[in-house]
Amino acid sequence: ETGVTQSPTHLIKTRGQQVTLRCSSQSGHNTVSWYQQALGQGPQFIFQYYREEENGRGNFPPRFSGLQFPNYSSELNVNALELDDSALYLCASSLAGTGSTEAFFGQGTRLTVV
Amino acid sequence: AQSVAQPEDQVNVAEGNPLTVKCTYSVSGNPYLFWYVQYPNRGLQFLLKYITGDNLVKGSYGFEAEFNKSQTSFHLKKPSALVSDSALYFCAVRGGGGNKLTFGTGTQLKVEL
Repeated sequence: ETGVTQSPTHLIKTRGQQVTLRCSSQSGHNTVSWYQQALGQGPQFIFQYYREEENGRGNFPPRFSGLQFPNYSSELNVNALELDDSALYLCASSLAGTGSTEAFFGQGTRLTVV
Repeated sequence: AQSVAQPEDQVNVAEGNPLTVKCTYSVSGNPYLFWYVQYPNRGLQFLLKYITGDNLVKGSYGFEAEFNKSQTSFHLKKPSALVSDSALYFCAVRGGGGNKLTFGTGTQLKVEL
């Protein structure tokens, strides 16, 4: 098991609502990334945070936003939920560097939008 | 843009036989390549990575992967498969200087007795 923890593990929301997902990074890691994994697909990069600032973003609309806190934990916020937002949301922590460091993933939050 | 292809949705192998899970990639510059495994209702577990150096990389649980620059491939291998290896395997690439991992669509490995 990695030291990355996510909460909650499961969540059901109604279309149009807002949701906040939380992630505690592995001890010593200063970079957090979020990924969306739709059913039957590989994870898709949402964004990355380093030193409390967004440090790269994938092809996701602005209603997907995030925060990183001084203790390197992070939140993913999604506004105006759509049915297609139903997915497993994965948080990954790593050390900032040249890109060669591996990311360690949490167990994910399963979001269902109805 | 970087991309990863895993051409096989599913690979079936008998326990004790060698296994190969295929992966090809496209990226600008030097690639950083990774393999992850996912068990049902779980996150991704890191298996191994290629950064530079020896083309044969050894990782966790007896897995290894062979980097081939000319074929832009990074196939995952294991000499003797176990039933407990049955899971979903993802290949991922990160371009030099980049910060995002790009994953393939995954290959379901099924090891049968």
